[in-house]
Amino acid sequence: EDQVTQSPEALRLQEGESSSLNCSYTVSGLRGLFWYRQDPGKGPEFLFTLYSAGEEKEKERLKATLTKKESFLHITAPKPEDSATYLCAGYNSGGYNKLIFGAGTRLAVHP
Amino acid sequence: DGGITQSPKYLFRKEGQNVTLSCEQNLNHDAMYWYRQDPGQGLRLIYYSQIVNDFQKGDIAEGYSVSREKKESFPLTVTSAQKNPTAFYLCASSIQEGVYGYTFGSGTRLTVV
Repeated sequence: EDQVTQSPEALRLQEGESSSLNCSYTVSGLRGLFWYRQDPGKGPEFLFTLYSAGEEKEKERLKATLTKKESFLHITAPKPEDSATYLCAGYNSGGYNKLIFGAGTRLAVHP
Repeated sequence: DGGITQSPKYLFRKEGQNVTLSCEQNLNHDAMYWYRQDPGQGLRLIYYSQIVNDFQKGDIAEGYSVSREKKESFPLTVTSAQKNPTAFYLCASSIQEGVYGYTFGSGTRLTVV
């Protein structure tokens, strides 16, 4: 069964304290790995798409990487405005193409 | 600007009542989706539609119904058969071909009173 697992469930950082979020997946025929940011009471916003192992993408303080089994979202010198839930999703090639979501990591960055 | 509009933002349902959540998109996307989000759980797929006048059940379709009469619209009805409807509901759309992420609406929070 296709599955996406994120860890940790929650992460508390001090402003400027770098860390990484993990997304491990078992998705048959994975065609892409997506990262989203979700603020409380709002819909997820797209951050990155990674298509193949070894690929990396960056946006401001965020960098996403992909291996054959997992993806990492590295946060460098975070600021309080980076506080949000970060979701990852695997895009499979099953009966119809669909995103399979992990439960997310709730990140809180304190000044 | 193109996007997805969900309404209402908050909705209260009485026991035994059916309620309908609206989802409209002007992105010209063929595919549309409804997800349910509960605390501590990932997004769970309720229904999806890849083309007008056609839709399929997702992983948790029981107690829900949808229609797709127009490309732009994909309303979700939460029926009285759904015994635990309190949740955050998200509508999304995507391009049908190729590996593209979804564009999400801002969500509707449904509460049973």
